[in-house]
Amino acid sequence: AQTVTQSQPEMSVQEAETVTLSCTYDTSESNYYLFWYKQPPSRQMILVIRQEAYKQQNATENRFSVNFQKAAKSFSLKISDSQLGDTAMYFCAFIRSPYGSSNTGKLIFGQGTTLQVKP
Amino acid sequence: DTEVTQTPKHLVMGMTNKKSLKCEQHMGHRAMYWYKQKAKKPPELMFVYSYEKLSINESVPSRFSPECPNSSLLNLHLHALQPEDSALYLCASSPGQVSYNEQFFGPGTRLTVL
Repeated sequence: AQTVTQSQPEMSVQEAETVTLSCTYDTSESNYYLFWYKQPPSRQMILVIRQEAYKQQNATENRFSVNFQKAAKSFSLKISDSQLGDTAMYFCAFIRSPYGSSNTGKLIFGQGTTLQVKP
Repeated sequence: DTEVTQTPKHLVMGMTNKKSLKCEQHMGHRAMYWYKQKAKKPPELMFVYSYEKLSINESVPSRFSPECPNSSLLNLHLHALQPEDSALYLCASSPGQVSYNEQFFGPGTRLTVL
């Protein structure tokens, strides 16, 4: 069974600074996808960034980037130039590749990290 | 249209009521999901519909009854709920059988059971 662990329940960062959220996972699968989702206090969950396990290059989306270490099964999220709007709960999530499968896979979430950006 | 909509935003119901939650997407996605989320916890998967057929039921009590009338619409029928069922109910959709399975979430329905 797959598991996702986020070891930091709460974090805070000053506006404009950089913060890194940790995520580790456990799987025996070789093909899978990893995601970071953001859920602000207004509650809509949105995708921040996605990483395909077969790609060695770390994904980047504007101020958000990941450090994907496949051998170590680590998938951390770095937020640069933090903004007040980044205040949210962040969930790391894993899904095995459904390619070739007739059924959708299950998204496995970590417990979440609450990030507070302070002015 | 790149969003998932959910109605109502808030719902308060008694333990003997019958109500329904509605979810809609027009992105052509073929998989739709219901999640239950308690405060400061990750979403818990309840049901998955793939190509309008129920593919996953995570041992959810029968007082929750899902329905997928067509590829764009997903309902969750509620009956004889318990106070512990109070939560945020999230709907999501994904492209289905593609090389990755990014899920798009709706804003949720905040359910309170009295």
